[in-house]
Amino acid sequence: DTGVSQDPRHKITKRGQNVTFRCDPISEHNRLYWYRQTLGQGPEFLTYFQNEAQLEKSRLLSDRFSAERPKGSFSTLEIQRTEQGDSAMYLCASSLGGQVETQYFGPGTRLLVL
Amino acid sequence: DQQVKQNSPSLSVQEGRISILNCDYTNSMFDYFLWYKKYPAEGPTFLISISSIKDKNEDGRFTVFLNKSAKHLSLHIVPSQPGDSAVYFCAASTGTASKLTFGTGTRLQVTL
Repeated sequence: DTGVSQDPRHKITKRGQNVTFRCDPISEHNRLYWYRQTLGQGPEFLTYFQNEAQLEKSRLLSDRFSAERPKGSFSTLEIQRTEQGDSAMYLCASSLGGQVETQYFGPGTRLLVL
Repeated sequence: DQQVKQNSPSLSVQEGRISILNCDYTNSMFDYFLWYKKYPAEGPTFLISISSIKDKNEDGRFTVFLNKSAKHLSLHIVPSQPGDSAVYFCAASTGTASKLTFGTGTRLQVTL
């Protein structure tokens, strides 16, 4: 399967703990995106990378959130000092870029902060 | 500010009939629109897209219509099948910004 993969699929943590999620994009895709989805809402943009460069961050991405894509391949999203409001589905997507692009999503990581 | 709106939270259609899902947007800079389908506990799956230079795009049972003057698009599924039961999201982007702005989704149930 050459689709977008995410790990872990589920994560339960206690408030105040740090968590890290990983995303492996489709191999030839140079753009990688992180979104967050809460119940009853559509996915909301968090940040995106073109190769290893982080080009845009949403105001939703507080100082406790950091994302990296060190070699332009996989990406990690870390949340420090988790809060109950961080509970959500974290989605990763990748695309080839260009003027008109289609983003392909991974299965997501569901985070529950107790 | 909800720039992409799906005003129908749910829709029920009989198998074999047409399903019509609607989406409205407010940002006139949007020039690329996509529909995604989502099953529970899975990521969104791309269905079909349309560029603002077109007013219609077809792919098998799926057709998307775009009315730029009304800032409205719709997804038609004909004929509807039970496997189409899922949440459908409309999304939009601009040519110079890659992020997608999503609506809140419409849950489609196709009944036998």
